[in-house]
Amino acid sequence: SQQGEEDPQALSIQEGENATMNCSYKTSINNLQWYRQNSGRGLVHLILIRSNEREKHSGRLRVTLDTSKKSSSLLITASRAADTASYFCATDSAGTALIFGKGTTLSVSS
Amino acid sequence: DAGITQSPRHKVTETGTPVTLRCHQTENHRYMYWYRQDPGHGLRLIHYSYGVKDTDKGEVSDGYSVSRSKTEDFLLTLESATSSQTSVYFCAITTGEGYGYTFGSGTRLTVV
Repeated sequence: SQQGEEDPQALSIQEGENATMNCSYKTSINNLQWYRQNSGRGLVHLILIRSNEREKHSGRLRVTLDTSKKSSSLLITASRAADTASYFCATDSAGTALIFGKGTTLSVSS
Repeated sequence: DAGITQSPRHKVTETGTPVTLRCHQTENHRYMYWYRQDPGHGLRLIHYSYGVKDTDKGEVSDGYSVSRSKTEDFLLTLESATSSQTSVYFCAITTGEGYGYTFGSGTRLTVV
């Protein structure tokens, strides 16, 4: 059962622009995580935000969480070509493994 | 990724044959997971383990079995491979609930 759903499915931007991806989920969570996957590679953990947090930063990444709307957003500022990848949100609920969404494919052109 | 390796990286097998994929970790993490990734479906959980000999089923466990006799190894077996099991299989580990996962590089399995 898919918990998180990312939006948009695909995003194309120019280098230097900001990229925003959204994630909606259905049930209560302990935390929400974002992962990046480069083509042909495994997923890499980017950032985790707990249910009692509203915003978190890590370098050029900014994640927000709105538990009342069951949604999260990932903002990548000043995008680079190297940010080209697929981005997945994953929800962590008590007693279960992470449930992943289908991902947003980001393409950053120079 | 450092600390977790999957083998083989690529495999082509025939329908009806058994196949075993291996996930090996050097992090001494308690939790290990097997996911499959398919276009249009994202990652779906097959089985997971929360300790030696402690395993449980995930969303898409039919046709798969797992074993964990040592902390460092988590084996995924396709008992009788079918074409619908053609996929990329990822192993992941974590130190505990509420922490991020570390993923292996994946095994691309093709069933012909």
